[in-house]
Amino acid sequence: DTGVSQNPRHKITKRGQNVTFRCDPISEHNRLYWYRQTLGQGPEFLTYFQNEAQLEKSRLLSDRFSAERPKGSFSTLEIQRTEQGDSAMYLCASSLAREQFFGPGTRLTVL
Amino acid sequence: DQQVKQNSPSLSVQEGRISILNCDYTNSMFDYFLWYKKYPAEGPTFLISISSIKDKNEDGRFTVFLNKSAKHLSLHIVPSQPGDSAVYFCAASESGNTPLVFGKGTRLSVIA
Repeated sequence: DTGVSQNPRHKITKRGQNVTFRCDPISEHNRLYWYRQTLGQGPEFLTYFQNEAQLEKSRLLSDRFSAERPKGSFSTLEIQRTEQGDSAMYLCASSLAREQFFGPGTRLTVL
Repeated sequence: DQQVKQNSPSLSVQEGRISILNCDYTNSMFDYFLWYKKYPAEGPTFLISISSIKDKNEDGRFTVFLNKSAKHLSLHIVPSQPGDSAVYFCAASESGNTPLVFGKGTRLSVIA
């Protein structure tokens, strides 16, 4: 399968714990995006990378969130001191042109 | 302020008929528009896109129409099939490979 992959698919954590998600983009894609989707809403942009450079961060990305893309390949999204409001589907997408291709997402539940 | 609006939360259509999903936008800087389909517990799947220099793009059963003056686009699915039942998201971006701005989605139910 050469699509975008995300791990884990599901994560349940207790409030205050740190979590880290991983995204592996389509191999030749140089851009990688993180979005968050909550119930009844469309995906909302968090941050994106071109190769290893983080080009833009949304105001949704509080200082508890950090993302990296070392060597311009896979990316990680870390959430520190999780809060119940962080419960959502975290989606990763990659692109070479204007169309973005999404992974299956990581469903985070903060208890 | 929502820049991309899908005003119909849901739509039901008989199998074999046409499904028309609508989307409005407010940001005149958007120059590329996309439609995605999403099943529960999966990521969005890219369906079709259109550049602002065109007014129509067709791919099999799917056609997207763009009316720039009205800041409106629509997705037509003909004929509709039960497997088309999903949530459809309209998305837009400004020039360059910038992040997508999504609407809230329309849930399409195709009834056999």
